[in-house]
Amino acid sequence: AQRVTQPEKLLSVFKGAPVELKCNYSYSGSPELFWYVQYSRQRLQLLLRHISRESIKGFTADLNKGETSFHLKKPFAQEEDSAMYYCALSHPSSGYALNFGKGTSLLVTP
Amino acid sequence: NAGVTQTPKFRILKIGQSMTLQCAQDMNHNYMYWYRQDPGMGLKLIYYSVGAGITDKGEVPNGYNVSRSTTEDFPLRLELAAPSQTSVYFCASSPSGGYGEQYFGPGTRLTVT
Repeated sequence: AQRVTQPEKLLSVFKGAPVELKCNYSYSGSPELFWYVQYSRQRLQLLLRHISRESIKGFTADLNKGETSFHLKKPFAQEEDSAMYYCALSHPSSGYALNFGKGTSLLVTP
Repeated sequence: NAGVTQTPKFRILKIGQSMTLQCAQDMNHNYMYWYRQDPGMGLKLIYYSVGAGITDKGEVPNGYNVSRSTTEDFPLRLELAAPSQTSVYFCASSPSGGYGEQYFGPGTRLTVT
């Protein structure tokens, strides 16, 4: 069964500090993983995806198949990074629908 | 482009009532999805569609029905509303199969009392 676990409900860091949002998954096969973000009063939107190997807004995420993890990292947090972050896994069945974790609320304080 | 639109934004239903949540997209996307999000939880898939005339059940389809008569519209029907259907409902679309980006609507907050 597919499962995405985000162990932290809330993460609070100071501006300029490094941030790491944890995501672990269980999946039999080669997963495709995503991070989606929801800023206050905005829609849920894609932040980055494993398949693109990209860095968006200074965030990166590395897939570690040995540890079944896809943690999201940023070396220097900014106040505008405060948002709700969801890790999600996609699978060809269910039309590539997303299987979401419960989300982590990131608060960056000055 | 308006992207993915959802109506209404908020709704309160009495137990046993029915309603339709509307979802439309103007991006000519083939794939569309309905998710629900309960407090403190991640989004869960209710139904999905890979093209006009084709729909299938997701993880939590009980109490809901969908139709996809056009590429643009993907309404979600709630029959005999129950308190367990109190949730925020999100519609999303994606251009094609594969691991592409999903575009989300603003959500509909539904309360059943």
